[in-house]
Amino acid sequence: DQQVKQNSPSLSVQEGRISILNCDYTNSMFDYFLWYKKYPAEGPTFLISISSIKDKNEDGRFTVFLNKSAKHLSLHIVPSQPGDSAVYFCAAINGQNFVFGPGTRLSVLP
Amino acid sequence: EAQVTQNPRYLITVTGKKLTVTCSQNMNHEYMSWYRQDPGLGLRQIYYSMNVEVTDKGDVPEGYKVSRKEKRNFPLILESPSPNQTSLYFCASSLDLTYNEQFFGPGTRLTVL
Repeated sequence: DQQVKQNSPSLSVQEGRISILNCDYTNSMFDYFLWYKKYPAEGPTFLISISSIKDKNEDGRFTVFLNKSAKHLSLHIVPSQPGDSAVYFCAAINGQNFVFGPGTRLSVLP
Repeated sequence: EAQVTQNPRYLITVTGKKLTVTCSQNMNHEYMSWYRQDPGLGLRQIYYSMNVEVTDKGDVPEGYKVSRKEKRNFPLILESPSPNQTSLYFCASSLDLTYNEQFFGPGTRLTVL
């Protein structure tokens, strides 16, 4: 059973609009969450993270929101750019393990 | 340049033929780990290492071995590969596990016939 879920395999957004990628988790012991971006033929690269003691973290165009009671986090990208087209993985840390979601493929249309 | 390198990048082999995928990082990181990526399943952790001579199982360790004799290297060993180990493999490292983001290698695409 997947502990970290990304229920949308893909998402298409118009350039300049907001992209919202969602992630749900089941294990309440997770205390740190990260988002990674992956381009084809490359390894994932770190994007942004959030501690469970916070509910929001912002870095430029990227904002991550955490709702602990709902066990839900989301990544907002504003404004979306064509270069943001990639697969986005949500990840959570439980002790010494990283647990990744299955990923969401974002396509930003010009 | 700070990086994680993996070799080989592509490998086709046959069932039962032992193989090793190397991983090396030049950032003096303590934490290293191996993942496999499969469609619809995301990245699943195979093994990880907190430091030299300290390794532990991740979520899917069956059929794999690792070693950490030096801080910079963390090879993944498949003693007797099987077709269900056909996958895309990533090595990653981070300074430690104090919630530091991991740096990933470029990946190794393995096909076991």
